[in-house]
Amino acid sequence: DGGITQSPKYLFRKEGQNVTLSCEQNLNHDAMYWYRQDPGQGLRLIYYSQIVNDFQKGDIAEGYSVSREKKESFPLTVTSAQKNPTAFYLCASSVPGQGYRATEAFFGQGTRLTVV
Amino acid sequence: DQQVKQNSPSLSVQEGRISILNCDYTNSMFDYFLWYKKYPAEGPTFLISISSIKDKNEDGRFTVFLNKSAKHLSLHIVPSQPGDSAVYFCAARPSSNTGKLIFGQGTTLQVKP
Repeated sequence: DGGITQSPKYLFRKEGQNVTLSCEQNLNHDAMYWYRQDPGQGLRLIYYSQIVNDFQKGDIAEGYSVSREKKESFPLTVTSAQKNPTAFYLCASSVPGQGYRATEAFFGQGTRLTVV
Repeated sequence: DQQVKQNSPSLSVQEGRISILNCDYTNSMFDYFLWYKKYPAEGPTFLISISSIKDKNEDGRFTVFLNKSAKHLSLHIVPSQPGDSAVYFCAARPSSNTGKLIFGQGTTLQVKP
């Protein structure tokens, strides 16, 4: 079945450590996104990528890094510079819409990151 | 700067009645709006969308209304069912066409049997 797979589902990190969250999609989508969800704040965009080897910062990119070496994969690294990393992280993909032919973004099941 | 706002954190309705979830936005350059449904510890799933050239879109029990002059959209669910209990997010796409979405804070809907 086509879809987006995020792993792991739960992740614990010690303060000062970097950690990488995996996101893989087999939907043949060009665009991929990382969002962060905090209670009462909805989903905020961290990074997005429209094509391989290219990505742009979202609204809250500080303390995060990404790579897009393959169309199927868009891993997110939470670095020690991210001051409040404990959150629910969601990866999504889409076929960027042209004008009004926009298509919705499909989301993975999320990774709950906890800093201990 | 919250460009997409859902001012009601929660809503409780009786099974069989109508649920109305509201969303306001500030950016007149948004050209596409979407509603997502989310259960705890899961990713959001797409529900329904509307482009800015329309004022209504209907899909089964779900209808989205768009009032561009008021920069307001709403999601109507009728009749509401207990399985509809979830967090609902509205999202807007800037017409820059990057595909990225701006989300509201979400409204938790509880449908009581």
